[in-house]
Amino acid sequence: EPEVTQTPSHQVTQMGQEVILRCVPISNHLYFYWYRQILGQKVEFLVSFYNNEISEKSEIFDDQFSVERPDGSNFTLKIRSTKLEDSAMYFCASRGGQISLSRYTFGSGTRLTVV
Amino acid sequence: GIQVEQSPPDLILQEGANSTLRCNFSDSVNNLQWFHQNPWGQLINLFYIPSGTKQNGRLSATTVATERYSLLYISSSQTTDSGVYFCAVARAAGNKLTFGGGTRVLVKP
Repeated sequence: EPEVTQTPSHQVTQMGQEVILRCVPISNHLYFYWYRQILGQKVEFLVSFYNNEISEKSEIFDDQFSVERPDGSNFTLKIRSTKLEDSAMYFCASRGGQISLSRYTFGSGTRLTVV
Repeated sequence: GIQVEQSPPDLILQEGANSTLRCNFSDSVNNLQWFHQNPWGQLINLFYIPSGTKQNGRLSATTVATERYSLLYISSSQTTDSGVYFCAVARAAGNKLTFGGGTRVLVKP
């Protein structure tokens, strides 16, 4: 079964540093997403991406965050200047086709720790 | 936005017991999925079930879209069933998946 691949699985970074989280969605999928989950809490939507642009973003997704699909296969989430409260598990997801016809497939996540 | 509520928030089971987890949502949806989050934090897709009933081994799920709820059944529970179970839904108007708060399940040997 096709998978969404995320790298790295764990990342520790100093506060104020930039981090890039990488994802390879399923190849024929059209819609891409980032979610995050702070330890012990629910999974929260960050941003959706379709046709090379952001289609929706949450209040969490402020100017410190950006997404990019640089080469048609990778999908990245950049945090420009990390804060302690950015420590969380970040999930990438993708889906294809009409919303009623396709399920969302999630990657295994990147656990980000900001120290 | 759409609200997703799961109950119960916590569930402790003896190995071999059966259980039912519930997911209520506040608006019509075109997509509903159940996930199991394992101890390593991975979200494992269990069911894609916007309507109807599906079974996969000891797990089954039913979604009654017209009444805005879904149920996940765990039969003959095993310790490996422990973890957090999430329900997530999406509407046609917006395409993001909205998660419920989860049900934390602990199966004791």
